Amino acid sequence: RKEVEQDPGPFNVPEGATVAFNCTYSNSASQSFFWYRQDCRKEPKLLMSVYSSGNEDGRFTAQLNRASQYISLLIRDSKLSDSATYLCVVRSSSASKIIFGSGTRLSIRP
Amino acid sequence: EPEVTQTPSHQVTQMGQEVILRCVPISNHLYFYWYRQILGQKVEFLVSFYNNEISEKSEIFDDQFSVERPDGSNFTLKIRSTKLEDSAMYFCASSDHLRNNQPQHFGDGTRLSIL
Repeated sequence: RKEVEQDPGPFNVPEGATVAFNCTYSNSASQSFFWYRQDCRKEPKLLMSVYSSGNEDGRFTAQLNRASQYISLLIRDSKLSDSATYLCVVRSSSASKIIFGSGTRLSIRP
Repeated sequence: EPEVTQTPSHQVTQMGQEVILRCVPISNHLYFYWYRQILGQKVEFLVSFYNNEISEKSEIFDDQFSVERPDGSNFTLKIRSTKLEDSAMYFCASSDHLRNNQPQHFGDGTRLSIL
C-alpha cells in the first residue's frame, strides 16, 4: 500500500463549480498534514495545513479523519487560476521528512 | 515574504561529472531538506539536515550524494559521478521547527539534465 494515495484525476470542472479531493495515508502515526499545489514544472507551494478540527481558508476547506486515515480538500466557486496539481502531504511524528502523494490534477474550464 | 532561493535554475552536466546544487534557506529556519522530482513523477524525499548533520535520509540518498552547510546561509547538495537517471528537478526546502504542523517552504528548484 502506498504511503500517501490520491486519485490522479484529471478532474475537469467548469468555473464556479465545487470540487473535492480525497487522500488516504497508511501510517497511523502521521501527525502533520498539508495540501500543496504544484503548477506545471514549478515548485510545490503550500496551500494550507490541515488541522484535526478541520479548517477553512477562503474558498478552500480541509478536513482530517484520523479514524479512516484520510484527508480531504474542498474548493468552492472554482476559478481558472485553481487549475493545478494538488498534492496531499503527510509527516509522521518521528520523522522530519514529508511524504508526497502523486497529486490530483485539476483543470477548470471557462 | 521570505523565500528559499536555489541556484542555478538549470544545470546541464555530462554523465560522470560532479554537480553542486545550491540553496539559501529562509534565514530563521533550522531544518533543511532536499527533494527531487523526476519528470512526470511525484516529489521524493532525499535528505533532511538539522544542527549541521543529516537527521534523516531516504534509500535514494546513497554514497553518490552528500549535503553540506558550508557557511551560515548556504545549503548544498553534491552529486558525484552523475548518471542519466539523476536527471530531475531538485527542490530545496526549509522549516523553522517540526512542531505544531509547521510546513516546509520550497525553493523554485534546479532542473538537472544529465547528458
